[in-house]
Formats: sequence, structure tokens, C-alpha cells
Amino acid sequence: NAGVTQTPKFQVLKTGQSMTLQCAQDMNHEYMSWYRQDPGMGLRLIHYSVGAGITDQGEVPNGYNVSRSTTEDFPLRLLSAAPSQTSVYFCASRSIGGYNSPLHFGNGTRLTVT
Amino acid sequence: AQSVTQLDSQVPVFEEAPVELRCNYSSSVSVYLFWYVQYPNQGLQLLLKYLSGSTLVKGINGFEAEFNKSQTSFHLRKPSVHISDTAEYFCAVLYNTDKLIFGTGTRLQVFP
Repeated sequence: NAGVTQTPKFQVLKTGQSMTLQCAQDMNHEYMSWYRQDPGMGLRLIHYSVGAGITDQGEVPNGYNVSRSTTEDFPLRLLSAAPSQTSVYFCASRSIGGYNSPLHFGNGTRLTVT
Repeated sequence: AQSVTQLDSQVPVFEEAPVELRCNYSSSVSVYLFWYVQYPNQGLQLLLKYLSGSTLVKGINGFEAEFNKSQTSFHLRKPSVHISDTAEYFCAVLYNTDKLIFGTGTRLQVFP
């Protein structure tokens, strides 16, 4: 059981470049989300989705786009990368049937924007 | 605004000593509270959770936490820490929505 898989693990971009961070889960979870982790700021929610075709903004959505065409995948797009987007990005998912289900996290993508 | 506060960014402690990591949240009608642990270069793992019922909840690895509604707190405790408990700990609150809001984290450093 792979759980939540994030690719790539590391990425370096130049300012203005675009890229997509991939996230896939094999647990049939309805809920998926993206967080960024920065020193001294904890994890901040970027976007989340409660099912295919449904997405919503979190705490820090600016500069990021998401879509959810399938239950399994929830890619995060940076259209024009900025140095302020240098961070570690985590994808997480959970079953939506009650709050008993914990979030399952991927191992993260470390992004550097120069 | 919904917020979670972890006042201690770092907590150094000697092995076998007790530890308390503090967490306070902004008040709301109903909240669900969680503690997650992050080991180096890994994602987060659930340590314990409070949904309802008994205010003292027990989690994995000997950790426990107490929900205090009047003080809007959910402090994490362990009576005797081990070197392997060295990690970063995050308090999180689900405010009756699908948004799980995290605190800024507390780095627990256990010394021999």
C-alpha cells in the first residue's frame, strides 16, 4: 500500500518558470490537500478538495492552482514561480466520512526558487 | 480568525524527564484537536486526537493530551521522554470545516 506519493522529491526552479507538483493516493480518500511548510510558520493550507471536481482555497492560495479530475490525483501548479514560494510542500489525504480519520501525509517536495 | 498557537518553538529536555508541549487555539463552538509528529525528512504522523468525550486522550508512544475548553488549550505531555522522541510536534485544529489549521510547531530535543 503506497499511501500518498509525491513527486518530485526535490526541484529547483528559476523565477518565472512554471511546474506541477504531483500527488497521488491509493486509499480512495475523498479529501486531499496541499500544505507548505516554512521555518517558524508551521504548515499552512494552500488548497484542498473534498472530491473530484471540487476544490477550495486554504490560508495561502495565491500563486497556486489546483484541479481534481480524479479521486486519486491532486496536482499543485505554480504558474510563475517566485522566490517566496521556496518551501517544502506536503500533500495529505483522508477519508471524509467523519473526523475520526487522520490525515495521511506524503514525504514532501522540497522546492527552491532562485 | 481561526488560529492555533504553540508558544514554545523549542523545548530541550533530558532523557527520562517529563515534558509538556503547549497548544492554545482560538475559541469556537466545536473543535476537533490533533497532535502530529514529524521526524526529520518525513511527513507528519498522527500522535493523538480529541473529538469528544473524555478530556484526557492517550496517543501513541506514551503521549497524552488534555483538552481544556475553558482555557482553549490542548497541551501534550509525556511523563518520561526518550531520545527517539526528538522530533517536531504540531498541534492542529479542525474548526467544524474541512480546513485543518496547524500551529507553528515545537521542536523537542531530548538530550542523553
